[in-house]
Amino acid sequence: DIVMTQSPESLAVSLGERATIHCKSSQSILHSSNNMNYLGWYQQKSGQPPKLLIYWASTREFGVPDRFSGSGSGTDFTLTISSLQAEDVAVYYCQQYYRPPFTFGPGTKVDVK
Amino acid sequence: EVQLVESGGGLVKPGGSLRLSCVASGFTFDTYSMNWVRQAPGKGLEWVSSIGTRNGAIYYADSLKGRFTISRDNAKNSLSLQMNSLRAEDTAVYYCVRDTGPFDYWGQGTLVTVSS
Repeated sequence: DIVMTQSPESLAVSLGERATIHCKSSQSILHSSNNMNYLGWYQQKSGQPPKLLIYWASTREFGVPDRFSGSGSGTDFTLTISSLQAEDVAVYYCQQYYRPPFTFGPGTKVDVK
Repeated sequence: EVQLVESGGGLVKPGGSLRLSCVASGFTFDTYSMNWVRQAPGKGLEWVSSIGTRNGAIYYADSLKGRFTISRDNAKNSLSLQMNSLRAEDTAVYYCVRDTGPFDYWGQGTLVTVSS
């Protein structure tokens, strides 16, 4: 199974400041056939289901603000919120969909300092 | 508008069974793989099972050890999860999720509580 890890577990950032979350997979999730990284980022606000933010490691889902960006390749990935807004308070999860089991990271809680 | 509506959750005793259902609308159901993902209270997300289009390519989390069965009825735009021999650790919100590679649409979830 591909194990996903995230760091930090939680972070508190001032409004307007940058938040950076790291995700690492235990094996490469870069598919050689199409050169795509099978990595998604999800945002889960309190009491709500998760919402897809980023897929293929760096493609923003339709309607997601451009302050959210994803980067990385192979086994190391990053989600960046360039200017934190109050509505970004949530838990963020990375997930590999390279092969089943489609494992999630443990989550990173983002709060306002 | 894509909608996924789960039902069937509730309180069940350890060792009991429950069948979850998800009705899909707003998209051509039989052209998408579907998944169940669960979340125990206060915990992270755990993928449970996946089913390809037309009942092909079924996968389960190793932790389920044959207790759960996923199925779909494309004529009724529905996804099901039959859960047997339930344990306290199966207590969670169960989400029905559409799969395009990434998991792009999630239902609101249905709560399953396993307790005596």
